[in-house]
Amino acid sequence: QQKVQQSPESLIVPEGGMASLNCTSSDRNVDYFWWYRQHSGKSPKMLMSIFSNGEKEEGRFTVHLNKASLHTSLHIRDSQPSDSALYLCAASRTGNYKYVFGAGTRLKVIA
Amino acid sequence: DAGVTQTPRHEVAEKGQTIILKCEPVSGHNDLFWYRQTKIQGLELLSYFRSKSLMEDGGAFKDRFKAEMLNSSFSTLKIQPTEPKDSAVYLCASRLGGRTQYFGPGTRLLVL
Repeated sequence: QQKVQQSPESLIVPEGGMASLNCTSSDRNVDYFWWYRQHSGKSPKMLMSIFSNGEKEEGRFTVHLNKASLHTSLHIRDSQPSDSALYLCAASRTGNYKYVFGAGTRLKVIA
Repeated sequence: DAGVTQTPRHEVAEKGQTIILKCEPVSGHNDLFWYRQTKIQGLELLSYFRSKSLMEDGGAFKDRFKAEMLNSSFSTLKIQPTEPKDSAVYLCASRLGGRTQYFGPGTRLLVL
């Protein structure tokens, strides 16, 4: 059964610092990765997605993907207290409907 | 554009009751998903519809959980009979093709 592993389970960073979150899929056929952010009491919202090897940057957020190792990472620079949330990674295959979600990394940014 | 809507937002049920949760996907989306989220298990897929056809009906959740899509703009999830272990947040999500899933606000269910 395909699994998506996320690490660390939880992370505390100071305001203004860099947060780095990791995600790996066990399915060699996966080729899409998604990062969702879920604030407390809210539903998940898509933050970034990546399909190609390399890096993608949007504002303070950068996503890396290494398809050979099926590993993606999310980096948040200049972290803000509003970034405190549960970050969910999901993986899917071309033509397959299903996302498989990881358990998430709980990020807390302290002022 | 309206996002995914879910009703009710909160539900309290006695053990053994039948409850029905409702979802309206984003207009034009052809994929609809039901998930259950708990702190321990995380996000678990319950059902998936593509163009109103049931593609996955939940595996381990089959016996007491039944999702239906009555038309392209309305879906229900019935839990019958409810058990305390069903207490969770139930999320509905929709998407167009293989693109981004959009989640509704969820229904928080408490079974006593």
